[in-house]
Amino acid sequence: AQSVAQPEDQVNVAEGNPLTVKCTYSVSGNPYLFWYVQYPNRGLQFLLKYITGDNLVKGSYGFEAEFNKSQTSFHLKKPSALVSDSALYFCAVRDIDESSGTYKYIFGTGTRLKVLA
Amino acid sequence: KAGVTQTPRYLIKTRGQQVTLSCSPISGHRSVSWYQQTPGQGLQFLFEYFSETQRNKGNFPGRFSGRQFSNSRSEMNVSTLELGDSALYLCASSYASGAGTDTQYFGPGTRLTVL
Repeated sequence: AQSVAQPEDQVNVAEGNPLTVKCTYSVSGNPYLFWYVQYPNRGLQFLLKYITGDNLVKGSYGFEAEFNKSQTSFHLKKPSALVSDSALYFCAVRDIDESSGTYKYIFGTGTRLKVLA
Repeated sequence: KAGVTQTPRYLIKTRGQQVTLSCSPISGHRSVSWYQQTPGQGLQFLFEYFSETQRNKGNFPGRFSGRQFSNSRSEMNVSTLELGDSALYLCASSYASGAGTDTQYFGPGTRLTVL
């Protein structure tokens, strides 16, 4: 079965500094990877996804993620953090049930990003 | 285009009762998935419906059930509520089922509190 790990419960970064939120994955076959953000009392908002192609994926709100096959990582990055980026970030991977051929999404445990003014 | 809507947003029930949550997907989306979010367990997949059929199911007891209507709206039902069912229930819609490249869009969630 596929899985994702977000090793950091919380990441603190100063406003204006670059930020990285880490995600590693374990899959068989080609990974389909996603990043979502959740603001307080809100649902998850889609940021970006990697299916195939360029290892650097650009998404919403200035975020990007780098797919690294050798390190099985899909870290989320932003060159300059904003206070408004403070939220809960989830990495997700598509999981396929080989017997039924159906798909579902496996989410990491989430990383709370705190951007300090 | 309107996003995914969920009703009600907040719900308080007592143990033993049952509850029904509703989700209206983005127009044109035929797949609806449900997730349970708790601080301890994170996001857990409940089930997915596509064209009124349950296509996939997570590891939850039979007290959790759902259905989808011909207009793609979905309902989730939890019977005989337990304290541990207190959670944020999220609904996500996508255009197609089984298409792993398809992006899921989430609603704001229903916060269920079981007393």
